Amino acid sequence: GESVGLHLPTLSVQEGDNSIINCAYSNSASDYFIWYKQESGKGPQFIIDIRSNMDKRQGQRVTVLLNKTVKHLSLQIAATQPGDSAVYFCAERGNNDMRFGAGTRLTVKP
Amino acid sequence: DAGVIQSPRHEVTEMGQEVTLRCKPISGHNSLFWYRQTMMRGLELLIYFNNNVPIDDSGMPEDRFSAKMPNASFSTLKIQPSEPRDSAVYFCASSTSRPDTQYFGPGTRLTVL
Repeated sequence: GESVGLHLPTLSVQEGDNSIINCAYSNSASDYFIWYKQESGKGPQFIIDIRSNMDKRQGQRVTVLLNKTVKHLSLQIAATQPGDSAVYFCAERGNNDMRFGAGTRLTVKP
Repeated sequence: DAGVIQSPRHEVTEMGQEVTLRCKPISGHNSLFWYRQTMMRGLELLIYFNNNVPIDDSGMPEDRFSAKMPNASFSTLKIQPSEPRDSAVYFCASSTSRPDTQYFGPGTRLTVL
């Protein structure tokens, strides 16, 4: 039978390629955004954040882009590695509240 | 730095039993959050505390759920009586202020038979 539950978007990439994970947020007043990574059997881990007065922020192998006009957030992972396989969540802060997206499952093929 | 500590990591119980989940936030963090994660509903905020005081418990599903934070270094989430639909992974997270970057614990996987 068909399983019922959240149908996570899935991204499958080849090891060494770049990955782009997208997130649409809902609140135009949101002023702070975070990307989390959740590996199987573990809690979400902070990856990178960005404030609404910026449109780009870079970390180690990761870049977050923010487009406030269309309320879109993306996470770019350079030279994706097998250890990057996980579910990635975006979170937005707005109205004194932090809301999480449903997540995207990234699978890295060797 | 030990991070957020949760116990137990796994709990299997029978319907009707009381379940208590425990959390120790990161030292110096003054906000604490309890989340539930299921395949059906994803990550849901149940309740959060700021300086040991419950601020928003609108996510608590029903009266069977209660949470306490008697001091800055300890919190409990209790389910009494437990039901099979409570089966989920329960996460505790803490942060230096709310809302801001939250650091999650490893979670407690609860199975109610």
